[in-house]
Amino acid sequence: EAGVVQSPRYKIIEKKQPVAFWCNPISGHNTLYWYLQNLGQGPELLIRYENEEAVDDSQLPKDRFSAERLKGVDSTLKIQPAELGDSAVYLCASSKGLGQGNTEAFFGQGTRLTVV
Amino acid sequence: QKEVEQNSGPLSVPEGAIASLNCTYSDRGSQSFFWYRQYSGKSPELIMSIYSNGDKEDGRFTAQLNKASQYVSLLIRDSQPSDSATYLCAVRGSGTYKYIFGTGTRLKVLA
Repeated sequence: EAGVVQSPRYKIIEKKQPVAFWCNPISGHNTLYWYLQNLGQGPELLIRYENEEAVDDSQLPKDRFSAERLKGVDSTLKIQPAELGDSAVYLCASSKGLGQGNTEAFFGQGTRLTVV
Repeated sequence: QKEVEQNSGPLSVPEGAIASLNCTYSDRGSQSFFWYRQYSGKSPELIMSIYSNGDKEDGRFTAQLNKASQYVSLLIRDSQPSDSATYLCAVRGSGTYKYIFGTGTRLKVLA
């Protein structure tokens, strides 16, 4: 079974430029998460989807960040414009949804963003 | 008080010893508890999940949960240098699928 797939693995952009990250969750996983991880810290939730619906986006800086999960499968996270402080690793994870059994979440390889 | 707390370490143990990693959480209604291993430059990898009080063993790993004390731990027996990594504790809160992570404990297994 394929795991969570993210792209790109690395991205270097200049500040004020836009950037987008893509995630394909594990097949059959209805719940998709976007996390941000800074060096030496644990992952912090940005947004959580149940199918197409964003059910927890309270930590998403909505002035510059946006996300979508069309058709309830793949998801895209966008930053526009990027700031120096956005440099971090962006992690996507997925798990089975409500009523589907255990709730273990599995992570993709992450996208390391560097804003210069 | 942080929602999930871990000692950042580093925790150094000799090869072959037992490594004990600890985690406390603040939401008394939390239902699910997870341990992830993260090698430097890699993403978190799920190694254990535990849902009820007591011990759960999987190979060299044992997760221990005490909901009354709001405490979850991970024991690694016969520690190997390849176990050197950061171990993240994650807690799923009551009535939600939101996972809260601790900052992780860095483990060093000395050969």
